[in-house]
Amino acid sequence: AQSVTQLDSQVPVFEEAPVELRCNYSSSVSVYLFWYVQYPNQGLQLLLKYLSGSTLVESINGFEAEFNKSQTSFHLRKPSVHISDTAEYFCAVSWNSGYSTLTFGKGTMLLVSP
Amino acid sequence: ETGVTQSPTHLIKTRGQQVTLRCSSQSGHNTVSWYQQALGQGPQFIFQYYREEENGRGNFPPRFSGLQFPNYSSELNVNALELDDSALYLCASHLAGFTDTQYFGPGTRLTVL
Repeated sequence: AQSVTQLDSQVPVFEEAPVELRCNYSSSVSVYLFWYVQYPNQGLQLLLKYLSGSTLVESINGFEAEFNKSQTSFHLRKPSVHISDTAEYFCAVSWNSGYSTLTFGKGTMLLVSP
Repeated sequence: ETGVTQSPTHLIKTRGQQVTLRCSSQSGHNTVSWYQQALGQGPQFIFQYYREEENGRGNFPPRFSGLQFPNYSSELNVNALELDDSALYLCASHLAGFTDTQYFGPGTRLTVL
C-alpha cells in the first residue's frame, strides 16, 4: 500500500523567510506526486504536481518541489514567504491502481507572521 | 475558482440518522471522488464514480453510498450516523486519468451529536 508522511504538523516562519515543508512517501510502484493547499474554510487547490521528466517542478506563486526517488521525498520549498501563504499544505500520491485516487499526508500548517 | 460546489455548507445530525450531501461537477469532467477529512487529518478516499458507476472504494463501510447523475453531479449518503462520522466531506471533480488534477469543492462540515 502507498502512504505519505508529512513530518511537521506545523511550521512557523517569519514573512520573507525561506521555508521547506517535508514530504516522504512509501510505495512499491511508481507514483505521481502532488502538493495541495487548503486556505481556511475552503477546499483544496492544486499547487503543483510531478508526473515525469524534470524532477524540479514549480508553481505560479513561487513554490517549488523536487522529486527525489532515492530518498522517496517530494519536499516543498519557497525562498521567501508572504503572510498570504498561511494555509494547510497537503502532500499526496496517486498511482496506476485501476482508478485514480489520491492518498494524502496529514498536512502541514504553515504559519507566516510579520 | 474551480466551479465545484457542495451543499449544504454545514449540517448537524444526531447519531443514527441519515444524511445526503451533494456535489456539482465542473463542466467537462466525468468523474467524482469523495473524501472524508477528520479534524487534524488529511482527506481519506471514500469512493469514486465514473460515468454513473462506482469505480473504486476506500476503506469505508457500506453505510456510505453514493450516486452520480447523467450531468455528472453526485450525492454521498451516509446511513446510521456515528459520532466518528463528524468531519469535513470533500468532493472532487476530475477526468479519469491517474495524472489528472482533481478539483475540490469547499466541503460540507458534518457534525454528529
